[in-house]
Amino acid sequence: QKEVEQNSGPLSVPEGAIASLNCTYSDRGSQSFFWYRQYSGKSPELIMSIYSNGDKEDGRFTAQLNKASQYVSLLIRDSQPSDSATYLCAVLNFGNEKLTFGTGTRLTIIP
Amino acid sequence: DTGVSQDPRHKITKRGQNVTFRCDPISEHNRLYWYRQTLGQGPEFLTYFQNEAQLEKSRLLSDRFSAERPKGSFSTLEIQRTEQGDSAMYLCASSRRGYQEAFFGQGTRLTVV
Repeated sequence: QKEVEQNSGPLSVPEGAIASLNCTYSDRGSQSFFWYRQYSGKSPELIMSIYSNGDKEDGRFTAQLNKASQYVSLLIRDSQPSDSATYLCAVLNFGNEKLTFGTGTRLTIIP
Repeated sequence: DTGVSQDPRHKITKRGQNVTFRCDPISEHNRLYWYRQTLGQGPEFLTYFQNEAQLEKSRLLSDRFSAERPKGSFSTLEIQRTEQGDSAMYLCASSRRGYQEAFFGQGTRLTVV
């Protein structure tokens, strides 16, 4: 079982709709969770971080964390073509300084 | 805040040659990380520095790889006797003391031919 799992996609969403990206993790000791956006050929860009159960909103992005279910998600409202990218879920475990990444979900917003 | 800077952006080398990459972290960021990313995969952790001390190394970091961070500022990653399997994007990230968010540089894309 991979430590961090994401559906690789591709996930296609119409422009203006809500894109929902999901991530599960295996280590119950995980304490911090991050979403990175990566355009093709570019480096990952941090877009959201979440540390406690519940929702965290930042503009059109909402991160949701459920530690009991070991599940973290990212919602993108009013999806724009510029949101088309690969979204990487990353997890930081307690006492460990390294991020563990999933393989990423490729999101395509259809105009 | 000029962001994490990596140099070079691209490197093509022949198998068996040595290569060295440089990373300049965001100023005041005391933590510096190296990751490697291959096509279709997420970044994989290689090593981590807090100030000048190298605190953790992945088993991915074979004896052909060495990283340094003299004086706790910029860092270098050297790969000796490169192999085709070393072809990847090498990513540097930094984070600030007391904060867990890590910010990545533009990466160095290595191609071993």
